[in-house]
Amino acid sequence: GEDVEQSLFLSVREGDSSVINCTYTDSSSTYLYWYKQEPGAGLQLLTYIFSNMDMKQDQRLTVLLNKKDKHLSLRIADTQTGDSAIYFCAVSSGSARQLTFGSGTQLTVLP
Amino acid sequence: DAGVIQSPRHEVTEMGQEVTLRCKPISGHDYLFWYRQTMMRGLELLIYFNNNVPIDDSGMPEDRFSAKMPNASFSTLKIQPSEPRDSAVYFCASSLAGRGTEKLFFGSGTQLSVL
Repeated sequence: GEDVEQSLFLSVREGDSSVINCTYTDSSSTYLYWYKQEPGAGLQLLTYIFSNMDMKQDQRLTVLLNKKDKHLSLRIADTQTGDSAIYFCAVSSGSARQLTFGSGTQLTVLP
Repeated sequence: DAGVIQSPRHEVTEMGQEVTLRCKPISGHDYLFWYRQTMMRGLELLIYFNNNVPIDDSGMPEDRFSAKMPNASFSTLKIQPSEPRDSAVYFCASSLAGRGTEKLFFGSGTQLSVL
């Protein structure tokens, strides 16, 4: 089945850019997603990208997709303390109406 | 819209007891998912429904787990009997078909502790 990998931790200084990376194995994935989870809360959809796109920008968020390397990244510009959370990469798998989630990256923003 | 509503937020029970978790999906959504989150295994899909019908329950750990969706606005996940290894955060999520994407909307989760 699909495998989605993320690094577990990332620390950045407030105002810097954050880049969270994700790799996946299923080349037939059609949509790729980034979710954010704040403490004590459920996951919230941040943004997504269709597999025929290379880049998508949404305000401070930039998603880059390298299909050849099966690599997805999320860049957060001007990172703020409110961005501290766990970020999950997720990909749709085959014909099943379900997502495969990565393990999540804990982003810590230092003042 | 109030979003996906789960209850209770926290549940502490003793091993062997029956536990029932509840979920109200977003009105009009036709897919409902139950996930479990642990430090060791991350997010695992347990089961999902389409129009109240279970489609894939291959993620349900064992026969102690069961899920129902008697109508479009309510679902339950039951564990009987519960065991300490069932301790986790259980999330319910819903989505709307027909848009080509899997935009899941998650509830706030139920933190289950089995002593």
